[in-house]
Amino acid sequence: DIQTTQSPSSLSASVGDRVTITCRTSQSISSYLHWYQQKPGKAPKLLISGASSLQSGVPPRFSGSGSGTDFTLTISSLQPEDSATYYCQETYSSPSFGQGTKLEI
Amino acid sequence: EAQLVESGGGLVQPGGSLRLSCAASGFSFHDYAMHWVRQTPEKGLEWVSGISWNNIHIGSDDSVRGRFSISRDNVKNSLYLQMNSLRAEDTALYYCTKDTTSSGISAFDLWGQGTMVTVSS
Repeated sequence: DIQTTQSPSSLSASVGDRVTITCRTSQSISSYLHWYQQKPGKAPKLLISGASSLQSGVPPRFSGSGSGTDFTLTISSLQPEDSATYYCQETYSSPSFGQGTKLEI
Repeated sequence: EAQLVESGGGLVQPGGSLRLSCAASGFSFHDYAMHWVRQTPEKGLEWVSGISWNNIHIGSDDSVRGRFSISRDNVKNSLYLQMNSLRAEDTALYYCTKDTTSSGISAFDLWGQGTMVTVSS
């Protein structure tokens, strides 16, 4: 099984900050990596698919990059509504999610 | 508006069975693969099982293989999860999700609100 490791597990940042969340897989998964945002009491929401494709309606301050084993989600200028938990997911093999990164603004 | 609505969760004793349902609307259900994903505070998000647009089983997590069965009815725009031999560790919030592809596993771009399953005596 492919192991998916997300870091950090939590972080605190301020409005306007640039934030980066990392996802690392135990073997190469090409670009089969996706990012989700989950707010308390809500279902996850797809932000980015295929490592870097921004979903329709998602603000352009969100971006994704990487391929192979190392991936990043970047929020270029934090807004108060970005407070949430973020998950990566690999779908190269049996899909698995990272442990999540709780972002506090 | 595209929507998924789960139902069928509840309290069940260990060893018991439960059938979850998911009603889809607002998109061409028969064109997409569908999945069940569960979530607990301890383990986070876990993919449970997936099914292709034409009712071909894509796969299931090792933890549920042989106990859970996924199916769909493209006439009723519905997805199902039959859960047998339930264990305490199956306790979770179960989400119905839509894949972006028809027959594989890719990103999940639509999620329901979830239905809670509690396995306890």
